[in-house]
Amino acid sequence: AQKITQTQPGMFVQEKEAVTLDCTYDTSDPSYGLFWYKQPSSGEMIFLIYQGSYDQQNATEGRYSLNFQKARKSANLVISASQLGDSAMYFCGTDSWGKLQFGAGTQVVVTP
Amino acid sequence: DVKVTQSSRYLVKRTGEKVFLECVQDMDHENMFWYRQDPGLGLRLIYFSYDVKMKEKGDIPEGYSVSREKKERFSLILESASTNQTSMYLCASSSNGYTFGSGTRLTVV
Repeated sequence: AQKITQTQPGMFVQEKEAVTLDCTYDTSDPSYGLFWYKQPSSGEMIFLIYQGSYDQQNATEGRYSLNFQKARKSANLVISASQLGDSAMYFCGTDSWGKLQFGAGTQVVVTP
Repeated sequence: DVKVTQSSRYLVKRTGEKVFLECVQDMDHENMFWYRQDPGLGLRLIYFSYDVKMKEKGDIPEGYSVSREKKERFSLILESASTNQTSMYLCASSSNGYTFGSGTRLTVV
């Protein structure tokens, strides 16, 4: 069974600062994907970024980048230049053995 | 854009009732999933399906069943609702990436 751990239940970050959200995972699938989703207070799940386990380069999407350390089974999300609209719950997930499973999430509050 | 539609945004049901949560996707995706979301626990996978009439248990299937008679529709069934099934339920479908519905907040009283 896969297990995803997000050790930070919540964090405050100042506007325009960078923030790193931690995620570690454990899976026996040799080929897997890593996802990050954002869930604002409206409840919708917004896809942010994806990393394949065989991708050589770390994924980037605009202000989002994924710091992928395969040997450590770590897939941290970095948000650069935080904005007030980044306040939300963030979920890390792994897609392995054909199913996507999530960690408990990190609540991010961006302050002016 | 792929659309995943959950029929109800809010539901209130009584203990012991049989409850159906419906999910429909419009992009011919093979795979569909049901999750429940609780504070501090994230999204937990209940059941998933790779094809019509196929289903697989997720991490927390107890107290739930599913039905997939047509490719576009995946139903979650609570055979006899209990108060500990009060939660937010999210449906997703996938082909190349995952798309989520907007969720159904179920309260069992």
